Amino acid sequence: DAKTTQPPSMDCAEGRAANLPCNHSTISGNEYVYWYRQIHSQGPQYIIHGLKNNETNEMASLIITEDRKSSTLILPHATLRDTAVYYCIVRRGYNNNDMRFGAGTRLTVKP
Amino acid sequence: GAGVSQTPSNKVTEKGKYVELRCDPISGHTALYWYRQSLGQGPEFLIYFQGTGAADDSGLPNDRFFAVRPEGSVSTLKIQRTERGDSAVYLCASSPASGRAGSFYEQYFGPGTRLTVT
Repeated sequence: DAKTTQPPSMDCAEGRAANLPCNHSTISGNEYVYWYRQIHSQGPQYIIHGLKNNETNEMASLIITEDRKSSTLILPHATLRDTAVYYCIVRRGYNNNDMRFGAGTRLTVKP
Repeated sequence: GAGVSQTPSNKVTEKGKYVELRCDPISGHTALYWYRQSLGQGPEFLIYFQGTGAADDSGLPNDRFFAVRPEGSVSTLKIQRTERGDSAVYLCASSPASGRAGSFYEQYFGPGTRLTVT
């Protein structure tokens, strides 16, 4: 599976958009990009995934560059409850059975 | 509906002891996963079950770790001769089916069991 690189931490003002980058320059054609987040003292929570098209759901938007070497998770209106560690994971197909989580990005939303 | 539950929420044991950690998946979910999370790190995959059988146990660190799911529902992670390095949060997740079926199935995580080996 392709390796991912994320900044260790980011801050965002409450009500503003949070843009979390992920670099996956070695991604191959059949690998999907998955995003999870983990709020303190809870298990990870699935957010969104995509292959090459941009995706949007009720939680977030996922923007994948045309060359697929990087992506950005966007939380359009961050709230204090969005403070969490965000993980970007690349996996082949839908075979996300054994997710390999890295260290992620610790997002702190500030009032 | 009820989510994934794990018991106990906290477990303190002495080095060398045996421990069992229990996971109750969401009813009807056929796939079940165990992860381990050390402080400041992301979850580390241990093992996954499809039904009663372990479909992939490549993440188990050594033969002191073993997991079972005899009836395809509740699972128990067993650790023999515990070591201080085993201290971590052990997370369980379940999903309706395995992604190998060709569709995406979200993993739902439990709150974890915090194991401390003294």
